[in-house]
Amino acid sequence: AQSVTQLDSQVPVFEEAPVELRCNYSSSVSVYLFWYVQYPNQGLQLLLKYLSGSTLVKGINGFEAEFNKSQTSFHLRKPSVHISDTAEYFCAVSGASGSYIPTFGRGTSLIVHP
Amino acid sequence: DTAVSQTPKYLVTQMGNDKSIKCEQNLGHDTMYWYKQDSKKFLKIMFSYNNKELIINETVPNRFSPKSPDKAHLNLHINSLELGDSAVYFCASSHQTRTQENEAFFGQGTRLTVV
Repeated sequence: AQSVTQLDSQVPVFEEAPVELRCNYSSSVSVYLFWYVQYPNQGLQLLLKYLSGSTLVKGINGFEAEFNKSQTSFHLRKPSVHISDTAEYFCAVSGASGSYIPTFGRGTSLIVHP
Repeated sequence: DTAVSQTPKYLVTQMGNDKSIKCEQNLGHDTMYWYKQDSKKFLKIMFSYNNKELIINETVPNRFSPKSPDKAHLNLHINSLELGDSAVYFCASSHQTRTQENEAFFGQGTRLTVV
């Protein structure tokens, strides 16, 4: 079975500071990895995805993530955050063991302070 | 033009009632899903459905049933609603077979409140 662990339930940060949201996955086979953002009272929007190839993936809104197979991690980073980045961030995995159904982590609440 | 649309956005109902939530996608995807998001924001898969198979999360009560009139629609029907069913329900869709385009697209959610 596939699973995702987001180690931090909440990450407070000041505006214009860098941020890293951590994600580790569990699988013994190749996977597809995703980061989604959820703004208050809205659905989930895809930030970026890793399917294969380059381990550094760039997404929307200045976010990027790095796939690390040896550490089974897919951490999300942004060099300088804005107030508008305040939202819930979800890491997801699919494709392991033939399962295409996305499995989500418990989410990390990013809180950007002025 | 909305890709995945759900109706209604808000639903308040009494215990014991039966209700449905509708979902439509215009992306031409072959697979649709229902997720439940609880008060702690945890997203749990309830159902996955394409034209070949329905996969049910075994922890979902049988009061919940998906109904798919065609490939673009996957409605969620709930019988005998209970207080614990209060949550936000998300519909999503994806291409199962296109591995380079298999990310899930989500609707805006339906906030169900059972009183």
